[in-house]
Amino acid sequence: AQTVTQSQPEMSVQEAETVTLSCTYDTSESNYYLFWYKQPPSRQMILVIRQEAYKQQNATENRFSVNFQKAAKSFSLKISDSQLGDTAMYFCAFMIQGAQKLVFGQGTRLTINP
Amino acid sequence: DGGITQSPKYLFRKEGQNVTLSCEQNLNHDAMYWYRQDPGQGLRLIYYSQIVNDFQKGDIAEGYSVSREKKESFPLTVTSAQKNPTAFYLCASMQRGATNEKLFFGSGTQLSVL
Repeated sequence: AQTVTQSQPEMSVQEAETVTLSCTYDTSESNYYLFWYKQPPSRQMILVIRQEAYKQQNATENRFSVNFQKAAKSFSLKISDSQLGDTAMYFCAFMIQGAQKLVFGQGTRLTINP
Repeated sequence: DGGITQSPKYLFRKEGQNVTLSCEQNLNHDAMYWYRQDPGQGLRLIYYSQIVNDFQKGDIAEGYSVSREKKESFPLTVTSAQKNPTAFYLCASMQRGATNEKLFFGSGTQLSVL
């Protein structure tokens, strides 16, 4: 069974700082997708970034970027120039290509302080 | 606007009562999902459906039932057999075979036991 582990239950940084959230996963498959979802206090789930395992280039979306290390099965999220609106739960998720279902980690609660 | 609508936003269940959570999507997606979220925890898959009139159990299906009579609708019934139903329930959908497969989420239903 595939598992996703987020080892940091909570993190807190000052506004404008850079923060990195960790995620590791376990699978024997070679074709899969990885995701970071954000859940702000409204509890609406929002896709932050998506990575295909076959792509060596790390995905980026504005201030959000990932460090994808396939051999180490690691998928960390870096948030640059953090803003108060980045305060949220962040979930790492994994999906085998063709499997049609995502497996989520336990989440990291990130607080951005003014 | 295309999206996923969950109702009600808040729901209360009495002992021994079955309750049904509604999920409707107008994204024309084939696959639909129900996840359960407990406080401080990740999302766990209850049921999913990849096509009309077909659905599969997820990791925590006991005490729940679903139907998929229409492409747009995927209601979840929390039965009296579910002894700990208090949780936040998220419905999601995904287009199968899309080049950038990802989950789209509704805004959730908070279920509490009276």
